[in-house]
Amino acid sequence: NAGVTQTPKFQVLKTGQSMTLQCAQDMNHEYMSWYRQDPGMGLRLIHYSVGAGITDQGEVPNGYNVSRSTTEDFPLRLLSAAPSQTSVYFCASRPTGAGPNQPQHFGDGTRLSIL
Amino acid sequence: DQQVKQNSPSLSVQEGRISILNCDYTNSMFDYFLWYKKYPAEGPTFLISISSIKDKNEDGRFTVFLNKSAKHLSLHIVPSQPGDSAVYFCAPTNFGNEKLTFGTGTRLTIIP
Repeated sequence: NAGVTQTPKFQVLKTGQSMTLQCAQDMNHEYMSWYRQDPGMGLRLIHYSVGAGITDQGEVPNGYNVSRSTTEDFPLRLLSAAPSQTSVYFCASRPTGAGPNQPQHFGDGTRLSIL
Repeated sequence: DQQVKQNSPSLSVQEGRISILNCDYTNSMFDYFLWYKKYPAEGPTFLISISSIKDKNEDGRFTVFLNKSAKHLSLHIVPSQPGDSAVYFCAPTNFGNEKLTFGTGTRLTIIP
């Protein structure tokens, strides 16, 4: 079982560049989400999706776009990278409607540095 | 506006002793509380949870206690083992709401 797969694991960008962080899950989970982890801040929700074609903003959505064309994939796009977006990004998935006792499954993260 | 605080950024405990990790929250609407464990270079993994209708939940060496009036929960690990060395996050939520609100994390180090 692959679970939640994130690519790339590491990336260095220059300010102003754009890129897409990939996230794929093979568990047929409806709910997917993106978090960023910064020192002393815990994990903060960027965007989430409750199913294909449906996305919504989380706590810190500015500078990021998402789309959900399939159940399996939930890419995160940085439109114009800024140093403040240097962080570790985690993708997670879980079945919807199952209640919070069905915990989220996380990928291993993408470490992104913006110079 | 930090709704969830873990006031101890780090904690060191001797192997075999009890580890107690604390979490305070401000949002009285939270009714379900999860703990996640995270090793370096890996994603968080679910550890244990508790519903607001309970004040204690046990799973092997791990016990979570909830004090709703104080808006405080704690995770007890006994006996502590070297493999427990990790960062622990509390993550309250609402039943029916898909979003988690993560605390700032506590880095636990078990000393052999």
